Amino acid sequence: EVQLVETGGASVQPGESVRLSCAASGFFFASYWMSWVRQAPGKGLEWVANIKQDGSETHYADSVKGRFTISRDNAENSLSLQMNSLRDDDTAVYFCARFSWYTGLDVWGQGTTVIASS
Amino acid sequence: QSVVTQPPSASGTPGQRVTISCSGSTFNIGGNTVNWYQQLPGTAPRLLIYDNNQRPSGVPDRFSGSKSGTAASLAISGLQSEDEADYYCASWDDTLKGWVFGGGTKLTVL
Repeated sequence: EVQLVETGGASVQPGESVRLSCAASGFFFASYWMSWVRQAPGKGLEWVANIKQDGSETHYADSVKGRFTISRDNAENSLSLQMNSLRDDDTAVYFCARFSWYTGLDVWGQGTTVIASS
Repeated sequence: QSVVTQPPSASGTPGQRVTISCSGSTFNIGGNTVNWYQQLPGTAPRLLIYDNNQRPSGVPDRFSGSKSGTAASLAISGLQSEDEADYYCASWDDTLKGWVFGGGTKLTVL
């Protein structure tokens, strides 16, 4: 079964850091781009970051550029999102998703919640 | 404010046909394919339509998609109560080098 499982969500103070992880199984992880997408409470979906199959290319939404870092470990079938200098408006459910140029974001994890609030 | 625009709400009665529109620009929908996602309350989004009008296995043929220029639409025929959900269109954006989502349409089955 193709599956993505996110972990690492936490409740922190603004300015602090959180690292999210996403464990992939059931498909050849190293063959796919991967993405992070978030959803603030009661709001729509917002793309956060993408990473190429070998990690050589990454892209970020302007709202997180310079604060968040996406990375991957193909040997461990794992995707990560390092989130620094968190702000109140980073509070959201964070989803990892498999990215195919043909089928789009075709497999999603269940999400993990990050709350940045004083 | 989303780069891609959807109506915030739509509604229909069981058995009816409902359409949801999605409008973008030449940098996203106009130059790339459109995907549609269904999100039931408290769950992750589910891919409903990819490549403008293709259905993944397991998606009923009541759901169909189309695209023309910088606009796209999702049609749901034979509306059922379990179709009540939020629907999002999405497309690759060449300037952002990322995915842009519509703001989402909340579908209510009356």
